[in-house]
Amino acid sequence: QVQLVESGGGVVQPGRSLRLSCAASGFTFNTYTVHWVRQAPGKGLEWVAVTSYDGSNKYVADSVKGRFTISRDNSKNTLYLQMNSLRVEDTAVYYCARDRLWFNSFDYWGQGTLVTVSS
Amino acid sequence: QSALTQPPSASGSPGQSVTISCTGTSADVGAYIYVSWYQQHPGKAPKLLIFEVNKRPSGVPDRFSGSKSGNTASLTVSGLQAEDEADYYCSSYGGNNVAFGGGTKLTVL
Repeated sequence: QVQLVESGGGVVQPGRSLRLSCAASGFTFNTYTVHWVRQAPGKGLEWVAVTSYDGSNKYVADSVKGRFTISRDNSKNTLYLQMNSLRVEDTAVYYCARDRLWFNSFDYWGQGTLVTVSS
Repeated sequence: QSALTQPPSASGSPGQSVTISCTGTSADVGAYIYVSWYQQHPGKAPKLLIFEVNKRPSGVPDRFSGSKSGNTASLTVSGLQAEDEADYYCSSYGGNNVAFGGGTKLTVL
């Protein structure tokens, strides 16, 4: 069965960095587009970033542009999100999600990892 | 990357039908078929209910249906059941990004 397991969340001070990972299993990871989507406490969903199946095409939301970088290692079936210059407003549960195609829809989601940015 | 507009709440009694709207613009909902709907129960990850405006993934009951007219998409839940009480989010492709609605809390009375 398809599984996505995020890790790397925690408490970090403003201005610091954190790297999230998402380990995929149960499907051919290197043939799927994958995204990061976040949800601030008590708030709605916000799209963060996407990478194509081979990592050749990547896009990030304006709210994180220049600070967050998405990448993948298909040899390890793992998706990453490098988050630099973190702000209090980046506090959220971060989900990785598989796309059916390219910007089509998110058909499988991980359980999420909580990132708290606080001094 | 403006958010899509959803009503914050909706409600209905068991067995009734409820429709949730999702309004975007001619640059997202109105321009593409890539409109999706997600159900999220408290403390859980979202679950895909509808993709490409009106298609259901395997395993999603046919009580859930989607449609679109112009810049507004809609999700209809027919034959409401207690387990349908959850938050519902729409999303749309908007040109190398995804816009989500603010979410609608559905209460089954």
